[in-house]
Amino acid sequence: QVHLVESGGGVVQPGTSLRLSCMASGFDFKTYGMSWVRQVPGKGLEWVAVIWFDGNQKYYADSVKGRFTISRDNSKDTLYLEVNSVSADDTAVYFCAREKEAGGNYFDFWGQGTPVTVSS
Amino acid sequence: EIVLTQSPVTLSSSPGDTVTLSCRASQSISHYLAWYQQKPGQPPRLVMYDGSQRATGIPARFTGSGSGTDLFLTINSLEPDDFGVYYCQHRGSWPPRYTFGQGTNLQI
Repeated sequence: QVHLVESGGGVVQPGTSLRLSCMASGFDFKTYGMSWVRQVPGKGLEWVAVIWFDGNQKYYADSVKGRFTISRDNSKDTLYLEVNSVSADDTAVYFCAREKEAGGNYFDFWGQGTPVTVSS
Repeated sequence: EIVLTQSPVTLSSSPGDTVTLSCRASQSISHYLAWYQQKPGQPPRLVMYDGSQRATGIPARFTGSGSGTDLFLTINSLEPDDFGVYYCQHRGSWPPRYTFGQGTNLQI
């Protein structure tokens, strides 16, 4: 059974950094591309970043490029998102999501999300 | 960058009804579209992909149709569990960019 569990969220001050994690289980993690998607409470979904199955390619939404870094450790079945210089606009629930298939266009499994609140 | 516009924003319906949700793309996306259902406090759930392919566990009451710039999700014989916000989503070819529509809130 596919399971994705995010962690690392919380209340952080503007300008600081945090690292989100997503631990995967129930599937061969190293063969799937993974993404981060965020959602401001009460609002829609915004894709943030994607990383290829082997970690060799990474792509970001324009809104976070240069501040966010996606990475993965296939030996630990874990996906990461490094968030730097956070601002109030980064307040959201952050979901990790699995691509439906290699090079896939869609997300077939999602974690429950970890909330990030940026506040002084 | 492709923009997805969903309509209606809110849809109120009753059990047993048939509803159709619309997703319009700013340029042709062929059939490369997914639909997700999200309920409060839960992550999105994949409902339909490649325009008309039902995801695992999705009943045949759900039908995807359309291609090009206008794609649709039809739900027949609505059940109370079908409520929630439905998002359409497309991935741009290169560089990969995943775009979501703003959502349709289906209220039963």
